[in-house]
Amino acid sequence: DGGITQSPKYLFRKEGQNVTLSCEQNLNHDAMYWYRQDPGQGLRLIYYSQIVNDFQKGDIAEGYSVSREKKESFPLTVTSAQKNPTAFYLCASSHPSTGFYGYTFGSGTRLTVV
Amino acid sequence: ILNVEQSPQSLHVQEGDSTNFTCSFPSSNFYALHWYRWETAKSPEALFVMTLNGDEKKKGRISATLNTKEGYSYLYIKGSQPEDSATYLCASQNSGAGSYQLTFGKGTKLSVIP
Repeated sequence: DGGITQSPKYLFRKEGQNVTLSCEQNLNHDAMYWYRQDPGQGLRLIYYSQIVNDFQKGDIAEGYSVSREKKESFPLTVTSAQKNPTAFYLCASSHPSTGFYGYTFGSGTRLTVV
Repeated sequence: ILNVEQSPQSLHVQEGDSTNFTCSFPSSNFYALHWYRWETAKSPEALFVMTLNGDEKKKGRISATLNTKEGYSYLYIKGSQPEDSATYLCASQNSGAGSYQLTFGKGTKLSVIP
């Protein structure tokens, strides 16, 4: 079955360390997204990519980096510059060619920095 | 309205009760309105995509309406069941640059008491 796989489900890191969250999709979707969720807040867009080798900053990109070397993969690196990295991270993909398609989401990664 | 707003933030209903909640969104440059259902420990699941003023969509006991002129959508659940317990997200999609992106509300958390 097609879908989006995020790994790991839970991640613990020491303060000051970079950490990379994986997101892989086999839906042949062109666009991919990273969102962050904090308690009491809605999903906030970190980065998005519409095609391979291209990505754009979202609303809260500071302290994060991404790459899109393959259509299937959109890893997110949380760098030591991110002041409050502990959060729940959701990856999504969509097929923008038809315009109205919504997102398919992964199951998320909960990152805790200690 | 600059952001997508949902109300109430949470509600508890008895099994068998019908309920509804609201999503308000910017009406300018409107393209589509999406509803998602997000159960705990699962991925958000797409419920509806609506584009035209006056649109009504139905899926079993769940239905939604759309008013693009005033910028709101209602989600209705008839005869709530415990399995309806979830967070319901709405997201607005605008036309023009960045039209692939969805802007999410904070969600309405529904708890159905058996």
